[in-house]
Amino acid sequence: DGGITQSPKYLFRKEGQNVTLSCEQNLNHDAMYWYRQDPGQGLRLIYYSQIVNDFQKGDIAEGYSVSREKKESFPLTVTSAQKNPTAFYLCASSSSGRNQPQHFGDGTRLSIL
Amino acid sequence: GENVEQHPSTLSVQEGDSAVIKCTYSDSASNYFPWYKQELGKRPQLIIDIRSNVGEKKDQRIAVTLNKTAKHFSLHITETQPEDSAVYFCAASESFKTIFGAGTRLFVKA
Repeated sequence: DGGITQSPKYLFRKEGQNVTLSCEQNLNHDAMYWYRQDPGQGLRLIYYSQIVNDFQKGDIAEGYSVSREKKESFPLTVTSAQKNPTAFYLCASSSSGRNQPQHFGDGTRLSIL
Repeated sequence: GENVEQHPSTLSVQEGDSAVIKCTYSDSASNYFPWYKQELGKRPQLIIDIRSNVGEKKDQRIAVTLNKTAKHFSLHITETQPEDSAVYFCAASESFKTIFGAGTRLFVKA
C-alpha cells in the first residue's frame, strides 16, 4: 500500500558520516517503527514511537537516533557510532491501540562506501 | 532477551501440496501473533493474524493455530500455488513491541 513512503531507496554512507533515512505516512497512524533486516534474519526493532514527541528504544538502538516531531514523519539517523550499518531498513506504522497490524514501506538499502 | 524461533528456514513443496511453518515464542505476555509475507524485493505484508483469546483462524487457503500453553503457533497453507513462493515471517507482540522470527523461504514448484 502506498500509504508509507521511504526515501531514498538506496543510500551510500562514507566512513564517519551520519545519514538520515526518511519515512512518511498518510494513513493517520499514531504508531511508527523502524526495523533493520539482515540476510537470513528476521526484522529487528530499532526504535518505535507510539505518539508524537515520544519514542522508545528497541532491541538494537545503539548507533541510531530518531525524532517524531510530526505524526506523519519518523526519520531515522544512522550515526557514525553504528559500526555495521549495511542493511535493509524498513519503516512501518500502525493505528492507535495495542497489538495492531503494521503496514510497511518499501525500505531503504544502506551500504558503506 | 525475548525471542521467536521459526522453522523450517527453507521449505520446498510441490504445487497443490500443503505447507506448514512453525514458531515458538518465549515471552508469555505476548498476545498478538501476526504473519507477514515478503516477496522478493518487496515490503512485508500482513497475511493473517491471531490474538491470544483464539485458538485457530482461517482465511481461504491460509490458517493459523495458536497453543498458548506450549507457546507455539503455526501457519498452514493449503493447495499451494507458485505465487505463494516468498519469505514468511511469524511475529509475537505484546503491546507495541513486536519480535519477528528469522523467516521461512517457501518455494512452490510448478
